[in-house]
Amino acid sequence: DADVTQTPRNRITKTGKRIMLECSQTKGHDRMYWYRQDPGLGLRLIYYSFDVKDINKGEISDGYSVSRQAQAKFSLSLESAIPNQTALYFCATAPGGGGTEAFFGQGTRLTVV
Amino acid sequence: AQSVTQLGSHVSVSEGALVLLRCNYSSSVPPYLFWYVQYPNQGLQLLLKYTSAATLVKGINGFEAEFKKSETSFHLTKPSAHMSDAAEYFCAVSPPVGNKLVFGAGTILRVKS
Repeated sequence: DADVTQTPRNRITKTGKRIMLECSQTKGHDRMYWYRQDPGLGLRLIYYSFDVKDINKGEISDGYSVSRQAQAKFSLSLESAIPNQTALYFCATAPGGGGTEAFFGQGTRLTVV
Repeated sequence: AQSVTQLGSHVSVSEGALVLLRCNYSSSVPPYLFWYVQYPNQGLQLLLKYTSAATLVKGINGFEAEFKKSETSFHLTKPSAHMSDAAEYFCAVSPPVGNKLVFGAGTILRVKS
């Protein structure tokens, strides 16, 4: 089984709909992240959480919200999806401390029509 | 604030030729530096990382990178390209405290037979 599991892997939704992307990890790490990947822009940080009670905005949090339901679960919501949120979304987890490796899920390809 | 610049969005090499992917960083404090690889339809996988130990870092699959503080660079090299190296490569930086990875825009490596 994968260390970081994202569901769904692919989703097509309509403009204005609410959608939730889910992430669970079995690494036992405290830190979890949501990134968005767009061609030519690399990965940009949406939200991150250093523990269950700690949620922080990243560089592109507008239009998104998150919930850290447990150490192992971190979900990303689009309250009212718009077409420019069409992208590949990645969840990642990492242990505490600097310079540690982040482990990524397989990604969720979201299309907003 | 930290940032990463990857020179060249696409690099094409012949099989057996040297691979050189360029990365320059900006950081006000000594950073941690990473190279990740993304194969088609997959998540990101760590190739190697610099965490202030040796300046020449060896990673998986024959890749290595050298940290040059004077040039603020962390270029990725491999002496002899293989067809299986075709992928997208991301350079990333994080501060000494915390794991907020900041990614470059990525470089797509094409290997010609």
